[in-house]
Amino acid sequence: QSVLTQPPSASGTPGQRVTISCSGSSSNIGSNYVYWYQQLPGTAPKLLIYRNNQRPSGVPDRFSGSKSGTSASLAISGLRSEDEADYYCAAWDDSLSGLNWVFGGGTKLTVL
Amino acid sequence: QITLKESGPTLVKPTQTLTLTCTFSGFSLSTSGVGVGWIRQPPGKALEWLALIYWDDDKRYSPSLKSRLTITKDTSKNQVVLTMTNMDPVDTATYYCAHEQTDYFDYWGQGTLVTVSS
Repeated sequence: QSVLTQPPSASGTPGQRVTISCSGSSSNIGSNYVYWYQQLPGTAPKLLIYRNNQRPSGVPDRFSGSKSGTSASLAISGLRSEDEADYYCAAWDDSLSGLNWVFGGGTKLTVL
Repeated sequence: QITLKESGPTLVKPTQTLTLTCTFSGFSLSTSGVGVGWIRQPPGKALEWLALIYWDDDKRYSPSLKSRLTITKDTSKNQVVLTMTNMDPVDTATYYCAHEQTDYFDYWGQGTLVTVSS
């Protein structure tokens, strides 16, 4: 069971706006940045959002991230068929053993 | 251009030790702030972080797997090695290595599928 909680699935039609949530706790999202990764079928994860809401160069501005308290969200506007993928949130977690990475369980996005 | 590639056995037997090598280019693991991590993904399941090593040899391990993992680096060869002891069928997964820039993984290898079976 993943430390960060995501809905297992989400869906939308082309052109729609969809959001994917990521819930954590005070030891991870509540006190550290959130990151989002996109994983297309059969490929390695790709960094989509870093430090809550920053986009790496090359990532379209249709993708945006936000954080509030111990939860975060990824929003995709103007949904396109090529956005169909698995999306994972991640964060550093302050545990007794030190800082460790934790991931969400992933959300499978279907473009209808 | 940063690239990483994982290598190692595709099949290991239960109780054996797995040794994976990440060979990278386009950066140096002696540069301040740089790290290389390992993340795995069982078939059809979520990502799981395993270990991380930094330019200054600081090492971090997943608390749940710490007793079984060792991560080392060879800066001269541009390689990072991960060993995992006492392999079990539940460890069957695609293992990825990734470049960490200060606080996030920005470049990933293609991954290597390791199957644990007798």
